[in-house]
Amino acid sequence: AQSVTQPDIHITVSEGASLELRCNYSYGATPYLFWYVQSPGQGLQLLLKYFSGDTLVQGIKGFEAEFKRSQSSFNLRKPSVHWSDAAEYFCAVVRNQGGKLIFGQGTELSVKP
Amino acid sequence: DAGVTQSPTHLIKTRGQQVTLRCSPKSGHDTVSWYQQALGQGPQFIFQYYEEEERQRGNFPDRFSGHQFPNYSSELNVNALLLGDSALYLCASSWGRGRNEQYFGPGTRLTVT
Repeated sequence: AQSVTQPDIHITVSEGASLELRCNYSYGATPYLFWYVQSPGQGLQLLLKYFSGDTLVQGIKGFEAEFKRSQSSFNLRKPSVHWSDAAEYFCAVVRNQGGKLIFGQGTELSVKP
Repeated sequence: DAGVTQSPTHLIKTRGQQVTLRCSPKSGHDTVSWYQQALGQGPQFIFQYYEEEERQRGNFPDRFSGHQFPNYSSELNVNALLLGDSALYLCASSWGRGRNEQYFGPGTRLTVT
C-alpha cells in the first residue's frame, strides 16, 4: 500500500535560516508528488508538484523540492525562512491515475525571531 | 477567478443527526474530491466524483455519501453522526479526473456533540 512519511512532527527555525522538511514515500512506481501548506483552521494551499522531468521543482513563496528516486524522498527546502512561513506542511502522493491523494502526518513549522 | 468554495464554514450537530456539506469547484474543474481531516492529522480521502458518479472511495462507511451536480458542484452527506465524525471536511477540485493537481477549499468545521 502507498504511504507517506514525514519524520519530523515539529520543527523550529530562526527567521532567516534555511529550512528542509523531509518526506519519504512508499510506492512501486514513480508517483505524482506534492507539498501543501495549511495555516491554522484553513484549507490547504499547493506549494509545488512533481510529475516528471527535472527532479528539482520550484514552487510558490520561494520553496523548492527535490525528488530523489533512489531514496524515495521528496524533501522541501527554502533558503531563508520568513515569520509568515509558520504553518503546517503536508507532503502528499497520488498515483498517475485516479487522483486519490495520500497525505503524510504533517510537519508543524515554528519560526522564532 | 473564484477558487474552491465550501459552505457552511462551521457546523454543530448532535449525535444521530444528518448533515450536508457543499462545495463549488474552481472554474474549469470537473472533478471533486472530499477529505476528512481530524485534529492533528493529515487529510484522509473520502471519495471522488467525476461526471456525476462516484469514481473512487476511501475507507469510510456507507454513512458517508455524496453527489455531484451537472454544474460540477458537489455535496457530502453524513448520516447517523458519531462523535468521531467531528473534523475539518475539505473539498478539492481538479481537472480531468485527478490526473492534475488538486486545489482545496477552506473547509467546513463539523462538531458533533
